Amino acid sequence: DSGVTQTPKHLITATGQRVTLRCSPRSGDLSVYWYQQSLDQGLQFLIQYYNGEERAKGNILERFSAQQFPDLHSELNLSSLELGDSALYFCASSEGLNSGANVLTFGAGSRLTVL
Amino acid sequence: AQKITQTQPGMFVQEKEAVTLDCTYDTSDPSYGLFWYKQPSSGEMIFLIYQGSYDQQNATEGRYSLNFQKARKSANLVISASQLGDSAMYFCAMREGQVRSGGSYIPTFGRGTSLIVHP
Repeated sequence: DSGVTQTPKHLITATGQRVTLRCSPRSGDLSVYWYQQSLDQGLQFLIQYYNGEERAKGNILERFSAQQFPDLHSELNLSSLELGDSALYFCASSEGLNSGANVLTFGAGSRLTVL
Repeated sequence: AQKITQTQPGMFVQEKEAVTLDCTYDTSDPSYGLFWYKQPSSGEMIFLIYQGSYDQQNATEGRYSLNFQKARKSANLVISASQLGDSAMYFCAMREGQVRSGGSYIPTFGRGTSLIVHP
């Protein structure tokens, strides 16, 4: 157990729908990252939060949004889902913001299937 | 341009043998970090080893070692005494520099190498 908790583990939904993925970071970690892993794109960085504030954005679609709450858990909202959004979505956490090794600890992932 | 290149889509190794997984990187920032992660078939990403660009010695963690050749911009992972449980995807990743120098500090990942360990 990495200490990073992601729910749900699996999710099957239809095109056009909206889903929310949830992440609880490892105890003591203030930074949360979201990555998308698909067969054609590999592991792509989506967005980073640090202590409740958005700090970096990657290849995140406008249909996707995220937030980090005061208790440091984070949610990734995916709306108007398309078939191509089917992927494994990872949450990762790290201690700080931009210092040291910045080793990311990953959760087990949420596998989204859009039919 | 790819920042992290893993040229071996698949590798096979006999149990108890050593195997080297290749990783080359591209950066002009003098301060960077290199990581290796393992992803077994169950899907989770497991951190294996880290090497900082200023670290004088190659990193080692148990059976894992990182063959860091700065001039060649390579950071190959060496797994000694392979075990059946080492069968997995292996990802090399890099985070660049400090935010104050324009680095994003967000790790970017290569496409991975699939390792299969034969009994």
